[in-house]
Amino acid sequence: QVQLVQSGAEVKKPGASLMVSCKASGYTFTSYYMHWVRQAPGQGLEWMGRINPSGAGTNYAEKFQGRITLTRDSSTSTDYMELSSLRSEDTAFYYCARDGHNYNFDYWGQGTLVTVSS
Amino acid sequence: QSALTQPASVSGSPGQSITISCTGTSSDVGAYNYVSWYQHHPGKAPKLMIYDVTNRPSGVSNRFSGSKSGNTASLTISGLQAEDEADYYCSSYTRRFTWVFGGGTKLTVL
Repeated sequence: QVQLVQSGAEVKKPGASLMVSCKASGYTFTSYYMHWVRQAPGQGLEWMGRINPSGAGTNYAEKFQGRITLTRDSSTSTDYMELSSLRSEDTAFYYCARDGHNYNFDYWGQGTLVTVSS
Repeated sequence: QSALTQPASVSGSPGQSITISCTGTSSDVGAYNYVSWYQHHPGKAPKLMIYDVTNRPSGVSNRFSGSKSGNTASLTISGLQAEDEADYYCSSYTRRFTWVFGGGTKLTVL
């Protein structure tokens, strides 16, 4: 069965960088795009970006342009989301979500809580 | 890209039906039939309930249905059950090759 397992919770200082991983199993990794979505405390879901199956192409939400980098390692079926210049407003749960071939998110990781605090 | 507009909360009694609206623009909801809906219980991963406006993934109850008219999509849940109590989010692909979510709707089963 499809599983997306994310790395554990992190605490970061303002200005630092963050990397969250998402290890996929149960399907052909190189056939699917992967998205990243976050949810700040008391807020809704927010789309951050997407990486294509080969890892050679990305789309980012305008809000995160210049601060976000999505990469993937096909040898380990793992996606990575790096966010730089962290600020307190980046405190959130971060999710990876597989693109279901129909412009939707059909499987989600369990979420990674990131706290940005001095 | 502004979030799609959803009511903050809706409620209904067991057995009743409720509808959650999701209003966007001609650049997102109105542009494509790529609206999807997600159920989110706090602390858990969101679950895909409806995709391509009206389609249900395998395993999702037929009590859940979707529709769209112009720039507004809707999710209807019939025969409300206690387990349906959750947050619901709509999402749409956009003309800018990005995705946008709604602000979320908290469903309370009375």
